[in-house]
Amino acid sequence: GENVEQHPSTLSVQEGDSAVIKCTYSDSASNYFPWYKQELGKGPQLIIDIRSNVGEKKDQRIAVTLNKTAKHFSLHITETQPEDSAVYFCAASKGGTYKYIFGTGTRLKVLA
Amino acid sequence: SAVISQKPSRDICQRGTSLTIQCQVDSQVTMMFWYRQQPGQSLTLIATANQGSEATYESGFVIDKFPISRPNLTFSTLTVSNMSPEDSSIYLCSVVLSGANVLTFGAGSRLTVL
Repeated sequence: GENVEQHPSTLSVQEGDSAVIKCTYSDSASNYFPWYKQELGKGPQLIIDIRSNVGEKKDQRIAVTLNKTAKHFSLHITETQPEDSAVYFCAASKGGTYKYIFGTGTRLKVLA
Repeated sequence: SAVISQKPSRDICQRGTSLTIQCQVDSQVTMMFWYRQQPGQSLTLIATANQGSEATYESGFVIDKFPISRPNLTFSTLTVSNMSPEDSSIYLCSVVLSGANVLTFGAGSRLTVL
């Protein structure tokens, strides 16, 4: 079955710097890759996603890149702010199943 | 946007007891799921809640331990039966809203079993 690895497990950056979180997946049939942000005491919230027919997607300060050949995808956050501090999860799924396999999470701390 | 309400938000339970968690959505839903998030861990799918029929469980999860009901499109319950400290987790209801094709999560129910 699908396995998703996520690195790093923790990441501290200075406010204004960029943060990059990387995930790899094992099932080449996976074609949908969402990223979720989980703040303390809350459920995960979708922040951006990418499908396998696209190599890159950007939404303001957040971008995701996908390398299907290497089976890895990354989340890029630019100009980080203290409110970006949270746990970020990547996930992979096959189209239409909604059975997401989640990575182990990255705790991002943005230092003011 | 849709509101997914989970009750209770948190509870402390005694070993051997059972607890039922409710999930109510204020919009039309096509699919509902239950996830478990153990302390400091990732999210693991427990089961798909099927309307009017038995839930579909993932490997490692069984109906006797995690009975699930979904009497209508927008409401589901998850029971954690005969709890042990290892069941201490956050249990999350997640849905696919009608007209959408992404998974949306509730705030979760944090269970502590003593």
